[in-house]
Amino acid sequence: EPEVTQTPSHQVTQMGQEVILRCVPISNHLYFYWYRQILGQKVEFLVSFYNNEISEKSEIFDDQFSVERPDGSNFTLKIRSTKLEDSAMYFCASSSHRVGSDTQYFGPGTRLTVL
Amino acid sequence: GNSVTQMEGPVTLSEEAFLTINCTYTATGYPSLFWYVQYPGEGLQLLLKATKADDKGSNKGFEATYRKETTSFHLEKGSVQVSDSAVYFCALSRRDDKIIFGKGTRLHILP
Repeated sequence: EPEVTQTPSHQVTQMGQEVILRCVPISNHLYFYWYRQILGQKVEFLVSFYNNEISEKSEIFDDQFSVERPDGSNFTLKIRSTKLEDSAMYFCASSSHRVGSDTQYFGPGTRLTVL
Repeated sequence: GNSVTQMEGPVTLSEEAFLTINCTYTATGYPSLFWYVQYPGEGLQLLLKATKADDKGSNKGFEATYRKETTSFHLEKGSVQVSDSAVYFCALSRRDDKIIFGKGTRLHILP
């Protein structure tokens, strides 16, 4: 069964450093998403991406964040200058454009720890 | 705006007990409704979904019915197992739109 994959599973970085979180969505999907979950809290939407541009972004997704689909398979989230409060689990998700299909499939997550 | 409210946890039950986790939603239009599960140390897995009123989603013995009149999507299971211990998230979305999650309900099943 196809699945969304994410790398790395755990990233530790120093405050102020740049990090890139990588995702490989399911191959025939066209809609891509990033969510985050601060430890013990609910899952929050960050950004959605379709047709090589951002469809929607939340207030969390400020100028420090960017997303890119550099090739036909990867979908990345970059944080330019990490802050302590960026420590969270980051989930990538993808969904199909098939009519009637609106299920988002989630990857296993990348745990980001900012020191 | 769209939102999801689910019962506070943790919920602690004995094995083979009946489970209900309440979930209500506020949304414009006709959203799809989901239950996601997060096992310890793992990511989010779709447990079940319903896309229109009166639909019943089911999987692994869990069920939830889309009740538009009460704007609810309560999760039920007739006999829980220790392996069901996890965090359960009720969620909604409109097609190709972001998912809005509830705060999650932690479930502990005692042997």
